[in-house]
Amino acid sequence: KNQVEQSPQSLIILEGKNCTLQCNYTVSPFSNLRWYKQDTGRGPVSLTIMTFSENTKSNGRYTATLDADTKQSSLHITASQLSDSASYICVVRASGSARQLTFGSGTQLTVLP
Amino acid sequence: SQTIHQWPATLVQPVGSPLSLECTVEGTSNPNLYWYRQAAGRGLQLLFYSIGIGQISSEVPQNLSASRPQDRQFILSSKKLLLSDSGFYLCAWSVSQLYEQYFGPGTRLTVT
Repeated sequence: KNQVEQSPQSLIILEGKNCTLQCNYTVSPFSNLRWYKQDTGRGPVSLTIMTFSENTKSNGRYTATLDADTKQSSLHITASQLSDSASYICVVRASGSARQLTFGSGTQLTVLP
Repeated sequence: SQTIHQWPATLVQPVGSPLSLECTVEGTSNPNLYWYRQAAGRGLQLLFYSIGIGQISSEVPQNLSASRPQDRQFILSSKKLLLSDSGFYLCAWSVSQLYEQYFGPGTRLTVT
């Protein structure tokens, strides 16, 4: 069964600090992995996409890594801002159609001033 | 540019009442459309997807149904709501099944 596990479930950090969110998956055959940011009461917005051959990809202060061998991904946020407070969702696509998306339950990040 | 709309934004309905949630997409033709439900602390669950007018695929057996009366309109319905239908409903679209999905703002449904 395809699964995506995210850790921690929740995280509280102070503004300006860095943090790393983790995503482990057992999706097969692997196609790609996306990190989404979901503000409270809003729809998710894509931050980055990783394919099998990519190890690292950055989007501003967000840097995602992928280890396809160990089936792990991380999202590193640098110099956090209050606006980074949100749920971060890892989504893995298996090769095939739309129904092959597996969503993690998200990490709820709270950035305090 | 493409935009996706959902309404209503919030809805409180009694058990046993009907439901109709609407999603529309602007700025694209023949999009793939999706309905998801997000329960508190859970990942998104795909409910229905559609690759064209009148073409609906159901992923999870339930008392909900979906329809696509027009190319860029996707409707989620129920004849009789259950308490377990409470949740955050998200509509999404994509160019094709293999490409990125873009999500709408969502509808918060509370069944009382």
